[in-house]
Amino acid sequence: GENVEQHPSTLSVQEGDSAVIKCTYSDSASNYFPWYKQELGKGPQLIIDIRSNVGEKKDQRIAVTLNKTAKHFSLHITETQPEDSAVYFCAASEAGGSYIPTFGRGTSLIVHP
Amino acid sequence: GAGVSQSPSNKVTEKGKDVELRCDPISGHTALYWYRQSLGQGLEFLIYFQGNSAPDKSGLPSDRFSAERTGGSVSTLTIQRTQQEDSAVYLCASSLSYLDEQYFGPGTRLTVT
Repeated sequence: GENVEQHPSTLSVQEGDSAVIKCTYSDSASNYFPWYKQELGKGPQLIIDIRSNVGEKKDQRIAVTLNKTAKHFSLHITETQPEDSAVYFCAASEAGGSYIPTFGRGTSLIVHP
Repeated sequence: GAGVSQSPSNKVTEKGKDVELRCDPISGHTALYWYRQSLGQGLEFLIYFQGNSAPDKSGLPSDRFSAERTGGSVSTLTIQRTQQEDSAVYLCASSLSYLDEQYFGPGTRLTVT
């Protein structure tokens, strides 16, 4: 089955800095990679996703890159703000299969004002 | 519109007791997922319902765990003879279909004493 590794487990940055979270996956059949943000006491919320037919996707201050050869993908947040503080999860799944994602263990991002 | 709701938000139970956790998905969503989130861990898939198809139970950790989805809407996750290792946050998600974005509920925090 799929195995997703996520690093770092904790990331502390100053407001305005960039933050990068990295994930690797093991199953070459995976072709859909969503990222979720989970705030305290809430369920995860999809913030951006990428499919294997593209290498990069941007949405305002958030971007995701994918390297299928190396089986890794990354989340980039620029100009971080205190409200970006949350736990971020990456996931991988096989579109066309069950679509059941395998999640990484999460990264706790702390943005200091 | 209304999102995914879960009840209760918190449940404390004694070891050996049975518990039922409820999920009300977004109206019209045909796919429903249950996940377990333990402290410092990612989301662990438990079970998946898609329309009238037989559920995918491949993630259930033991036969003490079961789930139903009545009328293609509300779902109940039942844990029999609870153990301390069952303590976790149980998250429910729904999507229009298995191809679409998953929307998560706020979760039920289960504590087994």
